[in-house]
Amino acid sequence: GEDVEQSLFLSVREGDSSVINCTYTDSSSTYLYWYKQEPGAGLQLLTYIFSNMDMKQDQRLTVLLNKKDKHLSLRIADTQTGDSAIYFCAEKISERMDSSYKLIFGSGTRLLVRP
Amino acid sequence: DGGITQSPKYLFRKEGQNVTLSCEQNLNHDAMYWYRQDPGQGLRLIYYSQIVNDFQKGDIAEGYSVSREKKESFPLTVTSAQKNPTAFYLCASSIFHTGANQPQHFGDGTRLSIL
Repeated sequence: GEDVEQSLFLSVREGDSSVINCTYTDSSSTYLYWYKQEPGAGLQLLTYIFSNMDMKQDQRLTVLLNKKDKHLSLRIADTQTGDSAIYFCAEKISERMDSSYKLIFGSGTRLLVRP
Repeated sequence: DGGITQSPKYLFRKEGQNVTLSCEQNLNHDAMYWYRQDPGQGLRLIYYSQIVNDFQKGDIAEGYSVSREKKESFPLTVTSAQKNPTAFYLCASSIFHTGANQPQHFGDGTRLSIL
């Protein structure tokens, strides 16, 4: 079955690095995404990684993918108070019967950045 | 600027009443999606549409209906059959191309409450 799991909560001090982890079960995943949700708002796409990559860096964000263990992580360097939000990982799977697809979302990790 | 517009931001429903949530996009995306988000939970797919005049049920379609008469618009009706409609509703859109990177772009959501 399809399942994406995340830890519920992470608290870090301003200026430290944050690492948010995600595990998934579907080995046919092609793309994996990280989204950020601020209170009362929609989801904002932060970054993504293709399944044949191990790592992707984008400014303060580093995504690591361990395909063997089906483990994805998002590292935020020099975490700021403005990074406080809920972070969702999502995997793209294919429903092969009709070539459609959907994203499977984790339940989100709430990041709290302490001054 | 291109984007996804959801309206209204807040909506109240009386018992036995149907309500319709609006979602419009000017990104020229083929695919559109409706998700439901409950507190502390991830996103659950209600309906999605890959092309005009066609749509598919997601994981929790019961008590909801949609239409896709125009590429830009994908309204969601919450019917009286949906007994627990209080939630945050998110609309998203994406390109549709099998095998390609297809991140979903989200609106700012509609919060529906029962009076």
